[in-house]
Amino acid sequence: DQQVKQNSPSLSVQEGRISILNCDYTNSMFDYFLWYKKYPAEGPTFLISISSIKDKNEDGRFTVFLNKSAKHLSLHIVPSQPGDSAVYFCAASANTGTASKLTFGTGTRLQVTL
Amino acid sequence: ETGVTQSPTHLIKTRGQQVTLRCSSQSGHNTVSWYQQALGQGPQFIFQYYREEENGRGNFPPRFSGLQFPNYSSELNVNALELDDSALYLCASSLTAGSYNEQFFGPGTRLTVL
Repeated sequence: DQQVKQNSPSLSVQEGRISILNCDYTNSMFDYFLWYKKYPAEGPTFLISISSIKDKNEDGRFTVFLNKSAKHLSLHIVPSQPGDSAVYFCAASANTGTASKLTFGTGTRLQVTL
Repeated sequence: ETGVTQSPTHLIKTRGQQVTLRCSSQSGHNTVSWYQQALGQGPQFIFQYYREEENGRGNFPPRFSGLQFPNYSSELNVNALELDDSALYLCASSLTAGSYNEQFFGPGTRLTVL
């Protein structure tokens, strides 16, 4: 039961253009969402997060949008740079009051070309 | 400030053996979570430790066990290894337990079971 889905395994974008990575979720209890970036042979690196009380959060070139009614979030990277080439994971958690368990999607491999 | 570290980097074991993986949390963090990432998949939550107690567990059998020490470092033990246990094992630390805390990941331990 894949509660967090990233339906695009890969995405190729030209340098300087916008990259849009998408994520869908099914569990309505999720109320906190995160994006991580992963380079080969490294652990995931936290990028940006958003709580369910917001619909947008920005941090420099990265913006995350949350559409609760559609159970959909997206990560926008503007402008895209070659160093952004990595695998991006969407993750979600539910406020159970105890463990902060993250449920991850399967990732989208972003390639930024020159 | 030291980030999350894990040891060893790589490990090869045979079926039926036991393995111990180690993790040092980021300075000031009292919560450690362990994840298993199989090839082509997102990380899957194994369990979380908060102040030396197990604080939540995913869908993993009891042969996956753990410990957290007074300095908040942690171990993951896997008994009776199976071929399907071959994966990248990631440790993540957070400031404390609870949903709204970003988790910071180590580089992982690559376990191969032959």
